[in-house]
Amino acid sequence: AQRVTQPEKLLSVFKGAPVELKCNYSYSGSPELFWYVQYSRQRLQLLLRHISRESIKGFTADLNKGETSFHLKKPFAQEEDSAMYYCALSILSGGYNKLIFGAGTRLAVHP
Amino acid sequence: EPEVTQTPSHQVTQMGQEVILRCVPISNHLYFYWYRQILGQKVEFLVSFYNNEISEKSEIFDDQFSVERPDGSNFTLKIRSTKLEDSAMYFCASRFGKGVSTDTQYFGPGTRLTVL
Repeated sequence: AQRVTQPEKLLSVFKGAPVELKCNYSYSGSPELFWYVQYSRQRLQLLLRHISRESIKGFTADLNKGETSFHLKKPFAQEEDSAMYYCALSILSGGYNKLIFGAGTRLAVHP
Repeated sequence: EPEVTQTPSHQVTQMGQEVILRCVPISNHLYFYWYRQILGQKVEFLVSFYNNEISEKSEIFDDQFSVERPDGSNFTLKIRSTKLEDSAMYFCASRFGKGVSTDTQYFGPGTRLTVL
């Protein structure tokens, strides 16, 4: 069965500290993975997707098929990074795709 | 930058009443979705819609739910007879989706449905 696991509900760090938000997935097909971010009172926004291999707002994520992981990392957290982060797996079903979300991790960056 | 919009932002209804949640997807997008998030739980897929028909629905999407694209711009989710457990945040999403590529889904701000 397809599944996305984000083991931490809350990650609390101080400004300037490194951040790693964990995401593991289970999928028999070829995975397409995304990180979405939701700032307070705002919509879900795409942060990055693995096929783009880009860095957005200092965040990076590498797909590790051996470990079935797609952890989100940032070397120096900023207060404005405080938000809810969702890892999502796009799966193809009958020719159409849908997103399977993890439970989300709340990142709190303290001054 | 174009955005997905949803109305209303908050809907309060009595159990057993019908509600219609409205969404305006991004104009050149071809695939439309509804997701929901019960408070404290994960975002769950409800239904996908393409070419004026449902392409996939989850087990949550039972006979009480229906979707429609009535006029080429709006995309609606109707719950015929609401239950307490339908209380949740409902998100609409759309993607351009030429072919079967897994390009980005863009989300609306959500409608918070409260069933009393």
